[in-house]
Amino acid sequence: DAKTTQPNSMESNEEEPVHLPCNHSTISGTDYIHWYRQLPSQGPEYVIHGLTSNVNNRMASLAIAEDRKSSTLILHRATLRDAAVYYCILRLYNTDKLIFGTGTRLQVFP
Amino acid sequence: DTAVSQTPKYLVTQMGNDKSIKCEQNLGHDTMYWYKQDSKKFLKIMFSYNNKELIINETVPNRFSPKSPDKAHLNLHINSLELGDSAVYFCASSQDHKADQGSPLHFGNGTRLTVT
Repeated sequence: DAKTTQPNSMESNEEEPVHLPCNHSTISGTDYIHWYRQLPSQGPEYVIHGLTSNVNNRMASLAIAEDRKSSTLILHRATLRDAAVYYCILRLYNTDKLIFGTGTRLQVFP
Repeated sequence: DTAVSQTPKYLVTQMGNDKSIKCEQNLGHDTMYWYKQDSKKFLKIMFSYNNKELIINETVPNRFSPKSPDKAHLNLHINSLELGDSAVYFCASSQDHKADQGSPLHFGNGTRLTVT
């Protein structure tokens, strides 16, 4: 299964931007890049996804490298509520499997 | 209204017992899933169903039997519970399973199963 690599943990101060990196060097041309997050004691929550172009939505932005071997999830202004484990996932073409890695635990300080 | 709801939220039982976890989604989605999150917080897919048809079975022991009476429900029945079954089990749903790679999964808040 396609693999992603993320830092184990990151820290941020409230209202600062946060850039969460993800490496996926084995990505194939048709794999989508998905990001989910898991708040404490909750189920994973969809954040954003993309294929080749950068994407923006109300929660975050996704910057995808030109060679697609890495991507960065951008939270423009971190809040305390953004403290969670963030998972970068490759969704393989024509499959409904999400293969979760170990994710990045984001801590946000007031 | 909760989109994906699981019951019970907590389940404590003894080894050897049989138990069920129920899941319902009111999103009108065609595909439902069960994921298991172990003590190391690693999430792994167990099953997926599309319109009541089994699509994925990730080498889960046959003590685990999913049942989908209709596309809005996917229940998980576990026979002869073992200590290693202790985990948090998440139900999820998505609009479809192959046609659209972007269909996000909507997860329930999990059922914490403790086997003693």
